[in-house]
Amino acid sequence: GDSVTQMEGPVTLSEEAFLTINCTYTATGYPSLFWYVQYPGEGLQLLLKATKADDKGSNKGFEATYRKETTSFHLEKGSVQVSDSAVYFCALSEGGNEKLTFGTGTRLTIIP
Amino acid sequence: DAGVIQSPRHEVTEMGQEVTLRCKPISGHNSLFWYRQTMMRGLELLIYFNNNVPIDDSGMPEDRFSAKMPNASFSTLKIQPSEPRDSAVYFCASSLRLGAGDYEQYFGPGTRLTVT
Repeated sequence: GDSVTQMEGPVTLSEEAFLTINCTYTATGYPSLFWYVQYPGEGLQLLLKATKADDKGSNKGFEATYRKETTSFHLEKGSVQVSDSAVYFCALSEGGNEKLTFGTGTRLTIIP
Repeated sequence: DAGVIQSPRHEVTEMGQEVTLRCKPISGHNSLFWYRQTMMRGLELLIYFNNNVPIDDSGMPEDRFSAKMPNASFSTLKIQPSEPRDSAVYFCASSLRLGAGDYEQYFGPGTRLTVT
């Protein structure tokens, strides 16, 4: 079945550092890929998405490119801020199905 | 737009009691999802509805759990009887269809359930 594997956390970085959170997936078809963010005490929020190979999703300085050849959708940001501290979830949906398969989440902490 | 609304935000109950969690999806969204989040198991999909009809309930833990969606603007998740292992944050989400195979899910703030 479908699955998403995320880089183990927690990840701690200094402010203005470069961020990469790795995400790889297994799917039988051509999934849509998502990154969600969860701030403390809140629900998940859609951060960005890509629906086909080579698409790049971007939002709030974050980017991720759908790489079919490596089955990856790594999240990157050039300069992180303290306010980016949160848990980040990679997810996929397949074949037009609305059901999402989530990774285990990566907790990110940014220190001033 | 008010977003997905869940109530209550916090619930503390004793083992054996009935618990009802409520959700109002975003107007115009035709799919609704119930998730459970714990430290041990992460985020789990319990059940989802499309046009008020349950489509996939394979994640519902056992018969103590039931969910209903009587109309497009309201859903409930009921646990009867509740057990301490049901303690978790329960999220409701609704989904917007943007095009063929293109959907976005929007999550509510969650209900933190503690069963003592």
